[in-house]
Amino acid sequence: EDQVTQSPEALRLQEGESSSLNCSYTVSGLRGLFWYRQDPGKGPEFLFTLYSAGEEKEKERLKATLTKKESFLHITAPKPEDSATYLCAVQEESGTYKYIFGTGTRLKV
Amino acid sequence: NAGVTQTPKFQVLKTGQSMTLQCAQDMNHNSMYWYRQDPGMGLRLIYYSASEGTTDKGEVPNGYNVSRLNKREFSLRLESAAPSQTSVYFCASSVETSGRETQYFGPGTRLLVL
Repeated sequence: EDQVTQSPEALRLQEGESSSLNCSYTVSGLRGLFWYRQDPGKGPEFLFTLYSAGEEKEKERLKATLTKKESFLHITAPKPEDSATYLCAVQEESGTYKYIFGTGTRLKV
Repeated sequence: NAGVTQTPKFQVLKTGQSMTLQCAQDMNHNSMYWYRQDPGMGLRLIYYSASEGTTDKGEVPNGYNVSRLNKREFSLRLESAAPSQTSVYFCASSVETSGRETQYFGPGTRLLVL
């Protein structure tokens, strides 16, 4: 069964304390892996798309990486404004609309 | 550009009542989606529309109907609301650029069914 698992469920960091969020996935064929940020009471905001193992994307203090079985979102020297829920989703190769979302990691800085 | 807009922001219904959630995007995207988000669960796709006039069922379509009125608008209708449909509903649209897809979400509609 296709699924996406994010860990940890919640993470509390001190300002400046770097860490990583994990997204592991099981899908028959991966078309793309997506990271979103979601603030309380708002819709998810797109961060990154990764398509192939070894690919990396960076934006400010965030860096996303992809392997064949998982993705990491590295947060370097986080600030309080980085507090949010980070969602991971995979898009299956077989269907362009078929996204499978994880339940997210709640980050508090 | 306003991006993806949704109305209403919040709604309370009684069991058996009907309502339509409205969604519009001004980015000229072909693909549009309706999701629901429940505590402890990931976003789940209700319906998808690849273009004006076409719709497909997602993972959890039961109890819902959709209309892709034109390229901009994609509405979600609950014909007879049930407490199990209490959720936060998100509309999204997407575009593929240089082989890379980006999905944009609206602010959500919070629905409480009593």
